[in-house]
Amino acid sequence: GAVVSQHPSRVICKSGTSVKIECRSLDFQATTMFWYRQFPKQSLMLMATSNEGSKATYEQGVEKDKFLINHASLTLSTLTVTSAHPEDSSFYICSARGASGGADTQYFGPGTRLTVL
Amino acid sequence: AQSVTQLGSHVSVSEGALVLLRCNYSSSVPPYLFWYVQYPNQGLQLLLKYTSAATLVKGINGFEAEFKKSETSFHLTKPSAHMSDAAEYFCAVSFSGGYNKLIFGAGTRLAVHP
Repeated sequence: GAVVSQHPSRVICKSGTSVKIECRSLDFQATTMFWYRQFPKQSLMLMATSNEGSKATYEQGVEKDKFLINHASLTLSTLTVTSAHPEDSSFYICSARGASGGADTQYFGPGTRLTVL
Repeated sequence: AQSVTQLGSHVSVSEGALVLLRCNYSSSVPPYLFWYVQYPNQGLQLLLKYTSAATLVKGINGFEAEFKKSETSFHLTKPSAHMSDAAEYFCAVSFSGGYNKLIFGAGTRLAVHP
């Protein structure tokens, strides 16, 4: 149980285009989803927290107009990187928290490698 | 402010040797503590968690960790390392209430050699 998927696993795009990444909880209802980015050989940095049906809460320094987060259902959250630039290239990981395994535990997706040319 | 410190960015052990990965936290309220493992180009997998029940927590793959309040530590151990244990390990802390935001340590890369 407690499986989280992400799609796509890898994406390469041209500078200036927008990219959407999906995060799904497959076998539980995720009341809260989190989006992280991870630079090579570094730890995870929380970008934003989203609760189903409400606006995301962004961490300090994260541009909300650039990283659009939608959490329209209890099993799906999306992160859209708008007008992507090479510096947005990173590994994006989502996690989901729900009743499965306890509300105190986040379950992580496999990540999406974004490369902006 | 809450924080997590992982001592040693790289740890190298021989196959069959004891694994000890160190984690210390700073918190003014009772913490929830987690260890996650990350294999290359993958997300994080939960190894174990402490949520104010038993102080010695057993996880998957033979790992365990002990919560020591007096030392503000939550070190991860495994009696006998396997080659397959080579990965990046992250200690994380969250706090009851709020939306359970996780704060991660910088990570420790474990290498296991024959």
